[in-house]
Amino acid sequence: EADIYQTPRYLVIGTGKKITLECSQTMGHDKMYWYQQDPGMELHLIHYSYGVNSTEKGDLSSESTVSRIRTEHFPLTLESARPSHTSQYLCASISQGATATQYFGPGTRLTVL
Amino acid sequence: KNQVEQSPQSLIILEGKNCTLQCNYTVSPFSNLRWYKQDTGRGPVSLTIMTFSENTKSNGRYTATLDADTKQSSLHITASQLSDSASYICVVHDRGSTLGRLYFGRGTQLTVWP
Repeated sequence: EADIYQTPRYLVIGTGKKITLECSQTMGHDKMYWYQQDPGMELHLIHYSYGVNSTEKGDLSSESTVSRIRTEHFPLTLESARPSHTSQYLCASISQGATATQYFGPGTRLTVL
Repeated sequence: KNQVEQSPQSLIILEGKNCTLQCNYTVSPFSNLRWYKQDTGRGPVSLTIMTFSENTKSNGRYTATLDADTKQSSLHITASQLSDSASYICVVHDRGSTLGRLYFGRGTQLTVWP
């Protein structure tokens, strides 16, 4: 069982609200990721981090921001949510080594009205 | 362009039957290929990881094969169960990036009927 957690699991909010999606892992992994996934589509990398104070944008342009102040915590923030942000957001982490297993959290299903 | 293509897009089989899912990729330089299982509304879970030198790897009723020359992989599920209903995602690791870049396919949606 992976020790990676996401909250909330489901969130319905109105346009213009600021939200933070939480992700934490207790495995001590340095590398963490945020993916966005629409139904029936592939995962798209939106942010990643190599470790504390290291964050980079991924392939998919995203209006969200992330921070990595502690190894175990990698929150994602949307300053002003829009209906186009409606999607599933998945957090993941991986240990060192090319064949290391990547562990995913359960995801946050976000709906912006 | 690095891509991962999976087929079929969806598949329905009866409980107890076998099935094989396909994955073709163009990712280079290749490091390893992974198969994940994703239940509806959940995060993906790793099933197998294969490096360039591995041709086959099993995990219970799941057997993955890899042909690095033709850049093809398959996932064979034996004696399917209702709990096998899920999306199966092929993921290829790009050795050339410092990030340890993972390229995801769109997945094959498998439905097992009783």
